[in-house]
Amino acid sequence: LAKTTQPISMDSYEGQEVNITCSHNNIATNDYITWYQQFPSQGPRFIIQGYKTKVTNEVASLFIPADRKSSTLSLPRVSLSDTAVYYCLVGAYNTDKLIFGTGTRLQVFP
Amino acid sequence: NAGVTQTPKFQVLKTGQSMTLQCAQDMNHEYMSWYRQDPGMGLRLIHYSVGAGITDQGEVPNGYNVSRSTTEDFPLRLLSAAPSQTSVYFCASKEWRLGSNYGYTFGSGTRLTVV
Repeated sequence: LAKTTQPISMDSYEGQEVNITCSHNNIATNDYITWYQQFPSQGPRFIIQGYKTKVTNEVASLFIPADRKSSTLSLPRVSLSDTAVYYCLVGAYNTDKLIFGTGTRLQVFP
Repeated sequence: NAGVTQTPKFQVLKTGQSMTLQCAQDMNHEYMSWYRQDPGMGLRLIHYSVGAGITDQGEVPNGYNVSRSTTEDFPLRLLSAAPSQTSVYFCASKEWRLGSNYGYTFGSGTRLTVV
């Protein structure tokens, strides 16, 4: 299973765009990249998943370069409520084993 | 539609005691799993099930038992609690149809302290 590396923490201000990069040098051909968000005292929440190029939904965008060795989660115009831990996971499309790293703790300031 | 419901939300056990953490989902998801999260860490998979009557071990299964007699319920049993099992436990479920992927739905967790 591919290991992921993310920054431990990031700070931002309300209204800014936040980009969180994840490194996954050993990603396998059939692996997908998935991001989860976790608020304090809550379980993680699925944000977005992609295989290559760009994926966008109502919450975020996911950018994946051609070599797929990294990916970037983009949160447009963050608000205080986006303060959370963000996890990048790599694994099969419908994997039965999520492998979590330590995540990136995003703090949004007024 | 309540999603994934975990009970209790908090529990304190003495070393050596046993207990069952309950998890129920009302989304007719075939897949269910249990994770534990230690302070400052990511979640680690304990056990999982891809359907009623089918269970398998995850990354950290020792000291825990599971069974899956119905689609809705997936209880986690601690056989003889140890301080090392102090953690927050999350139950998750997922739809298992080919081609679908809306991610996992997690419960709100059970915070367990073993003294």
